[in-house]
Amino acid sequence: DQQVKQNSPSLSVQEGRISILNCDYTNSMFDYFLWYKKYPAEGPTFLISISSIKDKNEDGRFTVFLNKSAKHLSLHIVPSQPGDSAVYFCAASEYGSGNTGKLIFGQGTTLQVKP
Amino acid sequence: KAGVTQTPRYLIKTRGQQVTLSCSPISGHRSVSWYQQTPGQGLQFLFEYFSETQRNKGNFPGRFSGRQFSNSRSEMNVSTLELGDSALYLCASSSSGGTLDEQFFGPGTRLTVL
Repeated sequence: DQQVKQNSPSLSVQEGRISILNCDYTNSMFDYFLWYKKYPAEGPTFLISISSIKDKNEDGRFTVFLNKSAKHLSLHIVPSQPGDSAVYFCAASEYGSGNTGKLIFGQGTTLQVKP
Repeated sequence: KAGVTQTPRYLIKTRGQQVTLSCSPISGHRSVSWYQQTPGQGLQFLFEYFSETQRNKGNFPGRFSGRQFSNSRSEMNVSTLELGDSALYLCASSSSGGTLDEQFFGPGTRLTVL
């Protein structure tokens, strides 16, 4: 059962435009959400996160929006740059002693930013 | 500060064999988590170790096991390899494994089972 889903395997945008990556989840107990970026031959690197008590978090060109009622979050990259081309993973975690060190990941979306 | 290192980076095995992968966390980090990445499945949580104890485990068969040493280095072992075990195995370290602790990932070990 895929608790975190990224339904778009790939996305292509023009440099300078906005990239919007989407993620849906099913477990209402998730209380922390993260986005990771992964380049080939490297491990995922943390990008931005959001707590379930917020609906928006911004860090430079990256903004994450959380809609708890729809169990949906999105990552906006504005403006998009060619160096942003990578695989983006959405992840979620649930607070609790039984969930230490455990992130639930989506399948990933490959973003290509064309110059 | 050195990042998370994983050895070996690439491994080729045949069905039925066993394999051991190693992960050295960031200095000072005591929590190590392991993930399996396969095409179309994203990263799936295998288990987490803290202070030499397995605290959390994902939904993988008993052929997948791990351990952690007193210096926080961790190993995972897969016995009786199957073709479906071909994947990228990633480990991540964090200071305590708590929800808000950032997990830092290594580059992964690419395992191919023939």
